[in-house]
Amino acid sequence: AQSVTQPDIHITVSEGASLELRCNYSYGATPYLFWYVQSPGQGLQLLLKYFSGDTLVQGIKGFEAEFKRSQSSFNLRKPSVHWSDAAEYFCAVGLSYNTDKLIFGTGTRLQVFP
Amino acid sequence: DTAVSQTPKYLVTQMGNDKSIKCEQNLGHDTMYWYKQDSKKFLKIMFSYNNKELIINETVPNRFSPKSPDKAHLNLHINSLELGDSAVYFCASSHSTNTEAFFGQGTRLTVV
Repeated sequence: AQSVTQPDIHITVSEGASLELRCNYSYGATPYLFWYVQSPGQGLQLLLKYFSGDTLVQGIKGFEAEFKRSQSSFNLRKPSVHWSDAAEYFCAVGLSYNTDKLIFGTGTRLQVFP
Repeated sequence: DTAVSQTPKYLVTQMGNDKSIKCEQNLGHDTMYWYKQDSKKFLKIMFSYNNKELIINETVPNRFSPKSPDKAHLNLHINSLELGDSAVYFCASSHSTNTEAFFGQGTRLTVV
């Protein structure tokens, strides 16, 4: 069965530090991959997506992610974190034949210290 | 100019009651969804509608009944509410089955 794993439940970084949030998926074919962010009390906002092509994708708010097929990973990165980036981050997989069903990871909560 | 809007944002009700959550999208999308986020923040799809037709029903109790009067609306009606139904319910929409989903702000349902 398809699944998404976000190994880090909670990450704390200092403002200005670099960030990498891990995401691994289990799926037999190439999936569609997404990162969403959820600020406290808010809905989910799409940060970036990968469907095909260049494996390094750029998103909003200075985020990027790299799809590595050999590692079944789609890690999210940001070179310099801002305090406003504190939120819950979700990786999601859409099945390549039908993205009607997004499978989400359990999320990583990011705390940013000044 | 909200893209996907849900009402109400908060809903507190007693066990056994029947309640509805409304969702509307003004993006012109033809696919709409309901997701449930539990207390551990785990998100799981409940239903998916494409052009008002049910596409996905993820083993949700039949106390939950989605209704799509038109492509821009997908409402969720819940009968005989139980304590375990307490969660945040998110509505979402997408242009087709192969594009990203846009989410609403969520409805926090608390059953007491």
